[in-house]
Amino acid sequence: DAGVIQSPRHEVTEMGQEVTLRCKPISGHDYLFWYRQTMMRGLELLIYFNNNVPIDDSGMPEDRFSAKMPNASFSTLKIQPSEPRDSAVYFCASSPPPGITEQFFGPGTRLTVL
Amino acid sequence: SQQGEEDPQALSIQEGENATMNCSYKTSINNLQWYRQNSGRGLVHLILIRSNEREKHSGRLRVTLDTSKKSSSLLITASRAADTASYFCATDWRGNNRLAFGKGNQVVVIP
Repeated sequence: DAGVIQSPRHEVTEMGQEVTLRCKPISGHDYLFWYRQTMMRGLELLIYFNNNVPIDDSGMPEDRFSAKMPNASFSTLKIQPSEPRDSAVYFCASSPPPGITEQFFGPGTRLTVL
Repeated sequence: SQQGEEDPQALSIQEGENATMNCSYKTSINNLQWYRQNSGRGLVHLILIRSNEREKHSGRLRVTLDTSKKSSSLLITASRAADTASYFCATDWRGNNRLAFGKGNQVVVIP
């Protein structure tokens, strides 16, 4: 298995632009998580899905952030419009069905908003 | 907050020495997990210890869990330069596959 795949690996954009981050979870995993990591705040859970349904989006900073999971093999995290304070590394992780809570992380997307 | 708190937050040791780091949490848990993050990479799962377990080993890793003190420790024996990384504890306390991560421990192993 290729593991969790994220794209792009690096994204540099200007303030106000729309940014879309992509994730392909491990096949057969029921849960998908989006995290943001910064030096100041550490690793923050933004939103997570179970069987493609959003379960908890309380970590999404504001309405500029949205996430979708149209099918079991694909998810997106969109920021529109982007701001410099959104600069961070965004990780996607997936985990198997309930009872096995280990999470498998992707390599992350380093986002820089100028 | 349920987030784990690792202590100490930064550790520098010589290759061959042991590294110990601690984690505390606030509420009852189902299990506690440790992850490693190498610079510029995603987190990698190392070991999981369930709430009814007190100690677990995996290779050079030893994890202990004290539920009465709500704390855990991770010991890396005979450290290697390749162990240089950040180490995070994470607690499963809601039982829905959601984890609460601590802020991480940076470990530097000097060759």
